[in-house]
Amino acid sequence: DTGVSQNPRHKITKRGQNVTFRCDPISEHNRLYWYRQTLGQGPEFLTYFQNEAQLEKSRLLSDRFSAERPKGSFSTLEIQRTEQGDSAMYLCASSSTSGRGETQYFGPGTRLLVL
Amino acid sequence: GQNIDQPTEMTATEGAIVQINCTYQTSGFNGLFWYQQHAGEAPTFLSYNVLDGLEEKGRFSSFLSRSKGYSYLLLKELQMKDSASYLCAESSNTGKLIFGQGTTLQVKP
Repeated sequence: DTGVSQNPRHKITKRGQNVTFRCDPISEHNRLYWYRQTLGQGPEFLTYFQNEAQLEKSRLLSDRFSAERPKGSFSTLEIQRTEQGDSAMYLCASSSTSGRGETQYFGPGTRLLVL
Repeated sequence: GQNIDQPTEMTATEGAIVQINCTYQTSGFNGLFWYQQHAGEAPTFLSYNVLDGLEEKGRFSSFLSRSKGYSYLLLKELQMKDSASYLCAESSNTGKLIFGQGTTLQVKP
């Protein structure tokens, strides 16, 4: 059973550096979502793709953030010039638009610490 | 606007029943999800309601009233492993999930 996978699981970086995270969704899922979660809070929506098209971006996603899903399969989330406030868990989820309810299944997350 | 409210913390005893409430205020409603999240782990899907009423799945049940903007998650026969955060999330008409802050449930022996 191949669920959603994310790499790396942990990332420590210095302020000002760029980081890139990867998400591999469940293979038959056409939608892919990125969320950010800080301690004691629920996940916050960042952006999502349907196949390779990026259909919505949150206002939380500043110009320093960019996401791609070039072939409609895996996705990358890049943060440029990281700031300490970017420290969080970055969660990826995937879903299929067919079927009931479009349940999103989450990957294990990438925990980012910006020093 | 979109506002999901749920209690921050709850405590219950092993073997008991606990109800976690969630209220939401939004337009473009497309369903209400409950997820379980253990510390340091990803959220895992528990239940989905789009029509009014109760959905039962083993020890867990979820209820929805769309007219009241209200849902609850009912956990029966509590076990120690049920200690976790329980996230209520509303699905918008674009598919994204809007989460509450989560309810941390502590199950005591």
